[in-house]
Amino acid sequence: GEDVEQSLFLSVREGDSSVINCTYTDSSSTYLYWYKQEPGAGLQLLTYIFSNMDMKQDQRLTVLLNKKDKHLSLRIADTQTGDSAIYFCAESIGSNTGKLIFGQGTTLQVKP
Amino acid sequence: NAGVTQTPKFRVLKTGQSMTLLCAQDMNHEYMYWYRQDPGMGLRLIHYSVGEGTTAKGEVPDGYNVSRLKKQNFLLGLESAAPSQTSVYFCASSYSGEGNSYEQYFGPGTRLTVT
Repeated sequence: GEDVEQSLFLSVREGDSSVINCTYTDSSSTYLYWYKQEPGAGLQLLTYIFSNMDMKQDQRLTVLLNKKDKHLSLRIADTQTGDSAIYFCAESIGSNTGKLIFGQGTTLQVKP
Repeated sequence: NAGVTQTPKFRVLKTGQSMTLLCAQDMNHEYMYWYRQDPGMGLRLIHYSVGEGTTAKGEVPDGYNVSRLKKQNFLLGLESAAPSQTSVYFCASSYSGEGNSYEQYFGPGTRLTVT
């Protein structure tokens, strides 16, 4: 079945770039998403990329998609302490339902 | 706009008790979802709805029932709670956006403990 895998933890220094990686299995996924979850809160959509794109940039966020390897990454430039959170990768599955499969989440720790 | 709201925020149940979690959205979204979040397992889809009056099973539906009598509300029921249902429950809603991108909007979650 469909599966999404992420590394569980990443620690960076404030001001550095962070790169969070994700692999997925469903090659028919139309969209891939990145969500952010702060402590005690729900998930917030950060950005998403259409499957026929290689890259999408949105301010400090850059999403890279390697469809051949089914690999997705999220780069956060100039990482700040406020970026500390759990980041979830998700792929769309099924048509006309909006269903998503989520990875386990990557906890990003930003040290001052 | 309140977005997606969930009640209650916290609840403690004894094994065998029942309860209903309420999700409400004011964005006129067609699609609604219930997830559970457990440590190290991401979010798993319990049930979902693609419109008023419709529901369907997700990845982990056993022990739960849902209803979508009104477009803005999606109820999740636990008929006989078990300790394995201790979790954080999230509701989300979405619409079919540009190019059929389904952006899901999440509620703040309900933390349920079953003793």
